[in-house]
Amino acid sequence: DAKTTQPTSMDCAEGRAANLPCNHSTISGNEYVYWYRQIHSQGPQYIIHGLKNNETNEMASLIITEDRKSSTLILPHATLRDTAVYYCIADTTGTASKLTFGTGTRLQVTL
Amino acid sequence: GAVVSQHPSRVICKSGTSVKIECRSLDFQATTMFWYRQFPKKSLMLMATSNEGSKATYEQGVEKDKFLINHASLTLSTLTVTSAHPEDSSFYICSASTPGQGGYEQYFGPGTRLTVT
Repeated sequence: DAKTTQPTSMDCAEGRAANLPCNHSTISGNEYVYWYRQIHSQGPQYIIHGLKNNETNEMASLIITEDRKSSTLILPHATLRDTAVYYCIADTTGTASKLTFGTGTRLQVTL
Repeated sequence: GAVVSQHPSRVICKSGTSVKIECRSLDFQATTMFWYRQFPKKSLMLMATSNEGSKATYEQGVEKDKFLINHASLTLSTLTVTSAHPEDSSFYICSASTPGQGGYEQYFGPGTRLTVT
């Protein structure tokens, strides 16, 4: 799995967009970019994943650069309940492979 | 979305006893389940991969005789911590894999907090 690099922590005001960056410069052609988040003392929650194209769902948007070396997770209107650790993972799919979690970004949403 | 449950959510046991943790996929069948361990303020660390009907594959450094994994059906995997010691106290999380759009997706259980006294 390609290594990913994320900032250790970020703050965001409630109601604003939270933009969480992730670098994955060694990502290979068959690796997807996955985003999960973990609220304190809970299991990780799947957010979104993508390969090349930008993706959007009810939770977030995922913007992947054309060279696929980095991506940004966007929470369009952050709320206090979005405070969590966000993990960016590069992984092959189609094989139900294990996920390797890094240290993630601790997002603190404030009033 | 797919739901994964774990039982118990919290358990306290005495040193030397064994503890079983169940992981169930409630609304889908999972041929593959994963077991993770998470220490305070640390990231998740994969312990083993469990495939239905076959032996689990353990990560390097994880003792297979201490952490017994059984995946008897497509909706249930169990992790038994044998002869538990205080250093086994941790947050244990399972996940189950299911086909989705663009490949497989993993859904995680809520975790089980084990405290060994």
